[in-house]
Order: sequence, then C-alpha cells, then structure tokens
Amino acid sequence: DIQMTQSPPSLSASVGDRVTITCRASQAINRYLNWYQQKPGEAPKFLIYEATSLQSGVPSRFSGSRSGTEFTLTITNLQPEDFATYYCQQCYSTPFTFGLGTNVEMK
Amino acid sequence: EVRLVQSGTEVKKAGESLKISCQASGYSFVLYRIGWVRQKPGKGLEWLGLINPLDSEIRYSPSFQGQVTISADMSINIAYLQWGSLKASDTALYYCVRHWDYGDSDLSSGMDVWGQGTTVTVSS
Repeated sequence: DIQMTQSPPSLSASVGDRVTITCRASQAINRYLNWYQQKPGEAPKFLIYEATSLQSGVPSRFSGSRSGTEFTLTITNLQPEDFATYYCQQCYSTPFTFGLGTNVEMK
Repeated sequence: EVRLVQSGTEVKKAGESLKISCQASGYSFVLYRIGWVRQKPGKGLEWLGLINPLDSEIRYSPSFQGQVTISADMSINIAYLQWGSLKASDTALYYCVRHWDYGDSDLSSGMDVWGQGTTVTVSS
C-alpha cells in the first residue's frame, strides 16, 4: 500500500493567517492526489483534485501544489469556516489511502 | 441535486450479519463508481473498496477483502456494504462516496459526493 505521511497532525492559527499542510507519498503517485475538508459531525468535502485543481465551488483561498512526491495544501487568509480537519488521499493505485489528517484549530 | 442517502443507524451484536445501503439520485448511477469509506470514532478515513455499477467490477482494499462485501443494484440505483459476521472492531461510521473520474488513469478519481454516513455499533 502507498503510505501518505501528513504533517503537522495539528496546528493553531488565527483568522487571516496563511496555513500550509504537507503530505508526502511513500512512492511516486504522479499528480494523483486529492484533498478533503471535514468539519465535526459532517461528511468530508472534496476540495482539490489532481494535486492542484480546485473542485467547483471551493473558494480560491485554497490551493494545492506538488513537488515530486510532496504535496501541499495552502489556505491563504484563513476564514472562520476553515477551521476543520484536512485529509490528503492518493488515487494512483488501490487501495486508495488517506493521510492521518491535520486539525486546523483556532489559536 | 446529486445525492447519496444512506440507511440508518445500526446496533448489532458480534457475530450478526448486516447490510447497509446507499441510495443514489440526481445523476446516472451507472456512470460513476461507488466506494465505501470507514471512520472509527475520533480517527481518520479508511477506504474499503469500490464497485462499478455498470459491470459490477469490484476492487477491495486488502485490509477489508473477505471482511465485507460490496454490491450494487443498478435497477434501483442502490449500493450496499455487508458483513457476514460482525466484530466489535467494525464499530464505526461508514460513508458511501461517488468516485468522479479525472485524468488519464483508470483509477484517478476524487470522492466528490458523500453520503451522510451510517453509524454501525457492534457490541461484544
């Protein structure tokens, strides 16, 4: 299985901050990496696909990038509704695997 | 509106069988694979497998192969996840998801629509 190592496990930030979350794949996965946002008591929401493409309806303050097997989710100008847990997920090969998540909490 | 609506909360005893469902609406059921994702209390997301409703091709995660069965009935737009003999360790929230294909790989897809989740509690 491809392991997805996500960091940090949690972070504290304030409204207006720029937040960066990293996900590293244990082997090459090309650009086949997705990001999801999950709020407490809700199903995850699909944010970014193919490492850098924003899903329809997702605010432009969210962005994704890739450098080899390292992927980054960046949230600029953090908004109150962005406090949540974020997961990366590879879809290069089955079984599809997720990172352990990053909890973005209010400072 | 594209929706996946799952069956309700289940409380079972270890050793019992269970089948939960996921009703799709608002899109052509046979055009998208349906997957299942598990989330244990306070934990992250685990992918169990998926089914192509058009040809019933199924891919399981090795971690769940033999533990669960995924199926679908394209005549009524429903996907299923079932257990033959539940364990306490199966206690979790189970989501069905629609796999939206992108890119040039037959696997590259994002889980773009999620059901509301079915809570399964298994007592020992």
